[in-house]
Amino acid sequence: DSGVTQTPKHLITATGQRVTLRCSPRSGDLSVYWYQQSLDQGLQFLIQYYNGEERAKGNILERFSAQQFPDLHSELNLSSLELGDSALYFCASSEGPDGEAFFGQGTRLTVV
Amino acid sequence: AQSVTQPDIHITVSEGASLELRCNYSYGATPYLFWYVQSPGQGLQLLLKYFSGDTLVQGIKGFEAEFKRSQSSFNLRKPSVHWSDAAEYFCAVVLYSGAGSYQLTFGKGTKLSVIP
Repeated sequence: DSGVTQTPKHLITATGQRVTLRCSPRSGDLSVYWYQQSLDQGLQFLIQYYNGEERAKGNILERFSAQQFPDLHSELNLSSLELGDSALYFCASSEGPDGEAFFGQGTRLTVV
Repeated sequence: AQSVTQPDIHITVSEGASLELRCNYSYGATPYLFWYVQSPGQGLQLLLKYFSGDTLVQGIKGFEAEFKRSQSSFNLRKPSVHWSDAAEYFCAVVLYSGAGSYQLTFGKGTKLSVIP
């Protein structure tokens, strides 16, 4: 158990819908990362927050947004969902802005 | 461009044989380097990391990795593979992404199959 908690574990939704994925980092970690893993794209970095502020941005679509709250948990919002958004979404956390990251078990999103 | 490359998509070894998984990076400085393992349907688990110092690092589950600056490589090794090592292995580096930000970037992964 990495100490990073992601909910829900599985999510099935229809195209055009909006979903929210939640992540609770390890106790004491200030940095939260979001990754998307699909068969064709591999592990793609989406976005990083550090102590409530956006730290780095990767290949995140405009339909996707994230935030980190004062209690340091984070949410990833995916809207206008398309079939191609079906993937495993991972959250990771680290103590600092660029240290080793610990991963949650992921949320498997299926868009039908 | 800054990147991390794992040249082998799939490797098959016999149980008890030695293993080496390759990782190369392209970066102007020495980055922070990591190896992660992912079992089917699971999250990623950190095997080992290199920040500085001794270039041979020991990790969990009997794995080790050697950083070679001249070759921009950080290869993962294990002297004797067990069937439970079958998984996908990811090399990752912290790369500078501009404006004072750093990004943990992963290679495409190497899938390891183990023959009993």
